[in-house]
Amino acid sequence: GENVEQHPSTLSVQEGDSAVIKCTYSDSASNYFPWYKQELGKRPQLIIDIRSNVGEKKDQRIAVTLNKTAKHFSLHITETQPEDSAVYFCAPNPELTFGTGTRLQVTL
Amino acid sequence: SAVISQKPSRDICQRGTSLTIQCQVDSQVTMMFWYRQQPGQSLTLIATANQGSEATYESGFVIDKFPISRPNLTFSTLTVSNMSPEDSSIYLCSVEVGLAGNYNEQFFGPGTRLTVL
Repeated sequence: GENVEQHPSTLSVQEGDSAVIKCTYSDSASNYFPWYKQELGKRPQLIIDIRSNVGEKKDQRIAVTLNKTAKHFSLHITETQPEDSAVYFCAPNPELTFGTGTRLQVTL
Repeated sequence: SAVISQKPSRDICQRGTSLTIQCQVDSQVTMMFWYRQQPGQSLTLIATANQGSEATYESGFVIDKFPISRPNLTFSTLTVSNMSPEDSSIYLCSVEVGLAGNYNEQFFGPGTRLTVL
């Protein structure tokens, strides 16, 4: 199966700062790269994704960048807000393996 | 998109008993998935359930412990058999919905929080 790792495992930033989470995968056949946000006690929900033929995608304060050669993709959150506090998972497809998760805490 | 519901939302069970979790989707889907999420951990895929065929289990999970049914394209059940405290976890069902370009987006049910005493 695919090895999927995330770094860091925990991240604490002050409100307004940026946060970056990196996901490293092993399967070179991966062609779809989503990020999920899971708030405490809730289900994971897709927040942004990128496909293998694109290097970067942005949606307001959230962006994802992909480096297929190095087999990693990153989630970027700018101007962080307290409601961004959650656990974030990457899940490179087509394997159904989730990353180890990153707990983001945005402090006031 | 897909709207997924699960029953029960939570349960507390005695060791040695079994619990069946139901997953209902508001549209027909080919593939349904069952995940386990232990406290503070990531999601681990238990099995993939396709309608009309046996479920495919991931390494470390067996049919005798986690029997799955998939009677139609909108419904599936997962049974956690002969439970022990180590089975205490959140169990989530998930479906894939096809996107343009042959990609699939995953949607998750709200989860079933199981506590085994």
